[in-house]
Amino acid sequence: EPEVTQTPSHQVTQMGQEVILRCVPISNHLYFYWYRQILGQKVEFLVSFYNNEISEKSEIFDDQFSVERPDGSNFTLKIRSTKLEDSAMYFCASTPSGGAGGELFFGEGSRLTVL
Amino acid sequence: RKEVEQDPGPFNVPEGATVAFNCTYSNSASQSFFWYRQDCRKEPKLLMSVYSSGNEDGRFTAQLNRASQYISLLIRDSKLSDSATYLCVVKSPFNKFYFGSGTKLNVKP
Repeated sequence: EPEVTQTPSHQVTQMGQEVILRCVPISNHLYFYWYRQILGQKVEFLVSFYNNEISEKSEIFDDQFSVERPDGSNFTLKIRSTKLEDSAMYFCASTPSGGAGGELFFGEGSRLTVL
Repeated sequence: RKEVEQDPGPFNVPEGATVAFNCTYSNSASQSFFWYRQDCRKEPKLLMSVYSSGNEDGRFTAQLNRASQYISLLIRDSKLSDSATYLCVVKSPFNKFYFGSGTKLNVKP
């Protein structure tokens, strides 16, 4: 069964460092998303991406964050100058279609720990 | 008002019990509705999509009431393995997904 894959599964970084989280969405999917979940809290939307550009972003997704799809398969989330409060699980998700139907398929997540 | 609201948890039930979760959504233009299950420190996984006619998958039954903007999930004969957080997810136009805060279920022996 096709799946969304994410790397790394866990990254520990020092405050102020840059991290890149990688995702390979399911190959025929068209819409890609990054979500964040701080431990014990709800899933929060960061950004959606369609047709090689950001389609929507949340208030959380400020200038510290950026996304790219550099090679048609990988979908990356870059976090610059990490802060302690960036510690969270980051989930990549994709969906095949617009309109009705089309559930989200999640990767297993990347756990980011900022020290 | 939140886009998606769920029953606050946790629900603590004995094995074999029937438990129901509710969810309301604010956008009447919402197109698709889902229940996801999330285990601790894991990704959300689709439990079932929710249709207007209602749908059942084994011990799980989901209902959608578009007029009341209300979604439900019923779990019959609860198992220990059903212990998890259940997320109500609503898809609006423009492919935006809204998540409820989740309802935690603890099934006890």
